[in-house]
Amino acid sequence: DQQVKQNSPSLSVQEGRISILNCDYTNSMFDYFLWYKKYPAEGPTFLISISSIKDKNEDGRFTVFLNKSAKHLSLHIVPSQPGDSAVYFCAAQPGRYNFNKFYFGSGTKLNVKP
Amino acid sequence: NAGVTQTPKFQVLKTGQSMTLQCAQDMNHNSMYWYRQDPGMGLRLIYYSASEGTTDKGEVPNGYNVSRLNKREFSLRLESAAPSQTSVYFCASRGPQGWGTEAFFGQGTRLTVV
Repeated sequence: DQQVKQNSPSLSVQEGRISILNCDYTNSMFDYFLWYKKYPAEGPTFLISISSIKDKNEDGRFTVFLNKSAKHLSLHIVPSQPGDSAVYFCAAQPGRYNFNKFYFGSGTKLNVKP
Repeated sequence: NAGVTQTPKFQVLKTGQSMTLQCAQDMNHNSMYWYRQDPGMGLRLIYYSASEGTTDKGEVPNGYNVSRLNKREFSLRLESAAPSQTSVYFCASRGPQGWGTEAFFGQGTRLTVV
């Protein structure tokens, strides 16, 4: 049973608009969350993270929101660019004292149309 | 710096054959990981090594063995390959502090078992 879920396999957005990628988790012990971006034939690369003591973290065009009560996080990309077209994975870490395990979602493929 | 290097990049095996996937990192990280990526399943943890000399099972360890040869190298061995092990394999490393840090991934090994 997947503990981290990305229910949208794909998302298509027009260039310049906002992209919103969603992620849900089931384990209330998760306390650190990350987003990775993956291009074809490459390994995932780290994009942005958030710890459970925050509800928002920004880095340029990328913002991650965390709603702990709903066990939900989202990644906002504003404005979206064609180079953002990739598969995005969210990941969660189960606790400060069990930090060696990351659990990943199944990914959302983002297509940004010019 | 090369980061995380995996070899080989591609491999085709016959059912029952064995092989070892190699991984090396040059970032002086303590923790290293092996993941597999399958369509619709995201990245699933096979084995990890929190530090030199230790290894632990992840979510899907059956059919695999690992060796943490030294701090830099972490290998994954398939003793008797099965078609169900057809996948893309990623090695990752993380550290030195562990919690609150991202993992860095290699470019992946695409394995086909026929």
